[in-house]
Amino acid sequence: GENVEQHPSTLSVQEGDSAVIKCTYSDSASNYFPWYKQELGKRPQLIIDIRSNVGEKKDQRIAVTLNKTAKHFSLHITETQPEDSAVYFCAASWEGAQKLVFGQGTRLTINP
Amino acid sequence: NAGVTQTPKFQVLKTGQSMTLQCAQDMNHEYMSWYRQDPGMGLRLIHYSVGAGITDQGEVPNGYNVSRSTTEDFPLRLLSAAPSQTSVYFCASSYSRGRGQRYFGPGTRLTVT
Repeated sequence: GENVEQHPSTLSVQEGDSAVIKCTYSDSASNYFPWYKQELGKRPQLIIDIRSNVGEKKDQRIAVTLNKTAKHFSLHITETQPEDSAVYFCAASWEGAQKLVFGQGTRLTINP
Repeated sequence: NAGVTQTPKFQVLKTGQSMTLQCAQDMNHEYMSWYRQDPGMGLRLIHYSVGAGITDQGEVPNGYNVSRSTTEDFPLRLLSAAPSQTSVYFCASSYSRGRGQRYFGPGTRLTVT
């Protein structure tokens, strides 16, 4: 079955700098890669996703890149702000799959 | 729409007790699932359902039972609670099995002593 590895487990950056979180997956059939953000004490919420027919997708300050050959994808946050502090989860799946497999999570802290 | 709701928000159980975590959604989603969240372990799938009357096991199903008698409800039962089941439990629903956005409930924080 699918296995998703996420790094780093914790990340601390200065406000205004960029943050990058990386994930690798094992099942070459996977073609859907979402990212979820979980603020302290809250539920995870989808922030962006990418499907295998594109290599990069942007939404304002966040972007996701996908390298299907290497089986890895990354989340990029530019011009970080205090409200970006949260735990971020990557995940992988495919159309016929019964489940979405999550990475272990990255705790991002933005320092003022 | 209320989205996905869960009850209770907090629960303390003694070892060996049983209980049911409730989950309901009003989005007419066919797919529902239960995850547990532990520090450093991410979100691990316990059980899932692709429609009323159909359930299957996820990564960590031992000690838990589920049933799906209606599209809206997907309760999770702990048969005999153990300290290892101390965790935060999230229910999620989706319009699609593989590639659909998961809508999570607010979570239930369970402590087993």
